[in-house]
Amino acid sequence: KNQVEQSPQSLIILEGKNCTLQCNYTVSPFSNLRWYKQDTGRGPVSLTIMTFSENTKSNGRYTATLDADTKQSSLHITASQLSDSASYICVVSVRAGGTSYGKLTFGQGTILTVHP
Amino acid sequence: GAVVSQHPSRVICKSGTSVKIECRSLDFQATTMFWYRQFPKQSLMLMATSNEGSKATYEQGVEKDKFLINHASLTLSTLTVTSAHPEDSSFYICSAWRAGTYEQYFGPGTRLTVT
Repeated sequence: KNQVEQSPQSLIILEGKNCTLQCNYTVSPFSNLRWYKQDTGRGPVSLTIMTFSENTKSNGRYTATLDADTKQSSLHITASQLSDSASYICVVSVRAGGTSYGKLTFGQGTILTVHP
Repeated sequence: GAVVSQHPSRVICKSGTSVKIECRSLDFQATTMFWYRQFPKQSLMLMATSNEGSKATYEQGVEKDKFLINHASLTLSTLTVTSAHPEDSSFYICSAWRAGTYEQYFGPGTRLTVT
C-alpha cells in the first residue's frame, strides 16, 4: 500500500529560528516528491518538486532534500517568519499507467506554528 | 505559478438540494483536472479525475451519481453535489494538471456546509 508519513505532526518555533520537517514514503513506482504549503482554509501551494535523480532543491528559504534509497525527504525552513505558520504536506507522485500526470499520495501534514 | 480559481469560495445549502462548484484554469489549458475533499485536520483525498471531453474516473467509494463531474472545456471543470446531506459538508479542492510538466496547480478551495 502506498503511504506517506510525516513527522512531527505539529511543531512550534520562535520567529527567526530554523526547522526541519521529515517525510518517509513507501510508494511505487516513484515518479516525484513534492512539498506543499497549505494555509488554513486555502488550497495547497507548491514549494518544491524533486524527481528521482534530484537530491536537493531550494525555493527561497525552503530547502527540500530527497534520499531515494532510504525513501526519505526533509523540508528545511530557514529564518522562519510568522507567515510560515501553515500545514506543510509531503506528496509523492506515483507513475500511473498510461498517464503522464501521476497519482498523488498525500501525507497527513505537519502543522507549523511560528510565534513572535 | 499558474492560477486555478474556484467558485464559490463558500456555500451553505439545505439538505436535499444540489450545489455546483466551478474550477477554472486561468492561464493554461488543462486536459486533466482533479477533485479532492478535505475534512478538518485531515489530508486531501482524491475523489475523481476529470478529463476534458470524456467521463470522469472516480476513486473507490466515491458515488459518481452523487458527485457529478463535467469537464466541458479545457479551462473549466464542475463538481455538482446532488441531494446534499450534512455529511457532505467539507472543503472541496480542485487541481489542474499542466501537460508536459509534473505540476498540479490547486485551487483555493470551496467550503461547503449542508444544514
